[in-house]
This record gives sequence, C-alpha cells and structure tokens, in this order.
Amino acid sequence: DQQVKQNSPSLSVQEGRISILNCDYTNSMFDYFLWYKKYPAEGPTFLISISSIKDKNEDGRFTVFLNKSAKHLSLHIVPSQPGDSAVYFCAASDKAAGNKLTFGGGTRVLVKP
Amino acid sequence: KAGVTQTPRYLIKTRGQQVTLSCSPISGHRSVSWYQQTPGQGLQFLFEYFSETQRNKGNFPGRFSGRQFSNSRSEMNVSTLELGDSALYLCASSLVPSGNTGELFFGEGSRLTVL
Repeated sequence: DQQVKQNSPSLSVQEGRISILNCDYTNSMFDYFLWYKKYPAEGPTFLISISSIKDKNEDGRFTVFLNKSAKHLSLHIVPSQPGDSAVYFCAASDKAAGNKLTFGGGTRVLVKP
Repeated sequence: KAGVTQTPRYLIKTRGQQVTLSCSPISGHRSVSWYQQTPGQGLQFLFEYFSETQRNKGNFPGRFSGRQFSNSRSEMNVSTLELGDSALYLCASSLVPSGNTGELFFGEGSRLTVL
C-alpha cells in the first residue's frame, strides 16, 4: 500500500528551465510534507517542507505547492542548475507519528547544461 | 559540527547470519530513526528511538530490532538474514521527535549485501 507516490521515476530538463516534480498521497492524516534530495553515495538531505495549513512555501529557487483536496504536492525548481541533478523524494508525516516519514519512490532529475 | 556517522559503510553477510549496524547522531540530537532503502520498496521506516525508548515502529518483522544508548547512539540488529534484507540502511537524527520541522539529518548509510 503506497501511501505516497511519485509517478515519474525520472525527469530531464535543460539548465535554466523549470523542473516540476509531482507527488500524490492517499492518507488524509498526513499534515506535513517534505522534499529531500539525494546524491549517490550520500544520505538524503532536507530541501523544503510545507504544513497542511499552507498551500505554498518558497525558499530561494525551490517552491513547494500543496493541493489538499487533490492530495497532491509539487516541487518547482527555478531556474534548474546542473548541481540539482539528483534523486528527489517527497515524504509525508502526521503529528502522531513523530519522525516516521512515509517516502515516495523518488524522481531522478537530470539537468543538462 | 560532525554529521550523522554510520558504521560499517559496507558489509557482506550470508543468509542466516545476523548483523549489527551502528549510528552516532549529531551531537545534541536525541532522536534517532532508521530507514531501509531498496530499489523496489524505496525508503521505508524501520523504527525511531528517543531517550532510549522506541517511540514508533514500521511494518518489519521481529528479526529487525534496535536500541538506543544513554549517549543517544543507536544500533539496529537484523537476525536470521534473508536475501531480501540486502539494502541501504539509513540512520537519521534530530533534536526531538517532532516530525514537523524537516530537520531530520541522514547519515550516508550502511550498505548490506546478503549472499
């Protein structure tokens, strides 16, 4: 039972353009959503998060949008840079679960120079 | 500030053996979580410890166990290894087990191969 899904396993984008990563969830108890970035041979690193009381959160080139009614969130990277090439995971949690995060399967992003 | 340290980084075991993985959290962090990453299942939550107590457990069989020491260091153990246990085991630490800050810092992982 995949409660968090990233339906696009990979994404290729030209440097300077926008990267849009999508994530869907099924558990309505989730109230906090996060995006992590992972380079090969490294652990995931936190990128950006959003609480369910918001519909948008922005941090520099990264913006996360949350559509609660559709149970959908997306990550926009503008402009994309070659150093953004990595695997991106969306994750979700609910207050009662502490640091138990439910992750999506990841989207591999390749930014071409 | 040193990051999350996991040892060993790589190890090979055979079916039926047991393995112990170690995690030293960032200094001052009291919550340690463990995740299993496999190509087929992605990142899956194993368990979380805070102040030497298990706070939460994922859907893994009893062969997977863990503990946390008074200095917040944590170990996880897998007994009677199966081929399917081959995975990258990631440890993550945070100040508190709030889950709502995003401040979960991951180590580089221990890659276990079961032959």
